[in-house]
Amino acid sequence: GDSVTQTEGLVTLTEGLPVMLNCTYQSTYSPFLFWYVQHLNEAPKLLLKSFTDNKRPEHQGFHATLHKSSSSFHLQKSSAQLSDSALYYCALSDQGTGSKLSFGKGAKLTVSP
Amino acid sequence: DPKIIQKPKYLVAVTGSEKILICEQYLGHNAMYWYRQSAKKPLEFMFSYSYQKLMDNQTASSRFQPQSSKKNHLDLQITALKPDDSATYFCASSSGTTNERLFFGHGTKLSVL
Repeated sequence: GDSVTQTEGLVTLTEGLPVMLNCTYQSTYSPFLFWYVQHLNEAPKLLLKSFTDNKRPEHQGFHATLHKSSSSFHLQKSSAQLSDSALYYCALSDQGTGSKLSFGKGAKLTVSP
Repeated sequence: DPKIIQKPKYLVAVTGSEKILICEQYLGHNAMYWYRQSAKKPLEFMFSYSYQKLMDNQTASSRFQPQSSKKNHLDLQITALKPDDSATYFCASSSGTTNERLFFGHGTKLSVL
């Protein structure tokens, strides 16, 4: 079945350093990959969604590239900001699941001064 | 203004009781979902509905029953509550049912004593 494996647990960074959260997946069909971000006491919201034409989605300085050869969709940002502190989830949907998302276990990113 | 309204925001219940979690969305979406978030299982898919019809059910227990009285409503009835049901329950919606972005409500935090 479909599954997502991502960097999980606590990730602590100093402001200004690069962010890299890993995400790999298993899927029966050609999947769409997503990164969702959840700030403290807020709802999860979409950060990035993969494109079908190999373009690299970018938002708020974050980017991720879908690599079908390695089944990966790693989240990157060149310079972490304090406001990036949040929970980050990688998620997957495909033809078999429709819009039902399979989420990874989440990574809690804490950016300190 | 929030476009997905969940009520109540916090809910305390005693073991064995029954509660209904309310969800209304004003995004004009056709598909609605319930997800559960707990310390053990972050963002676990429960149900999906499209045009008020059940599309997918990943919840093993029949104690959890979604109810859709209108296209933009998807309530969740939980009977015979157990302490393990303690979690934050997120309602979500999407415009379609194929690889669409999900929009989440702010959640109902349920504590079962």
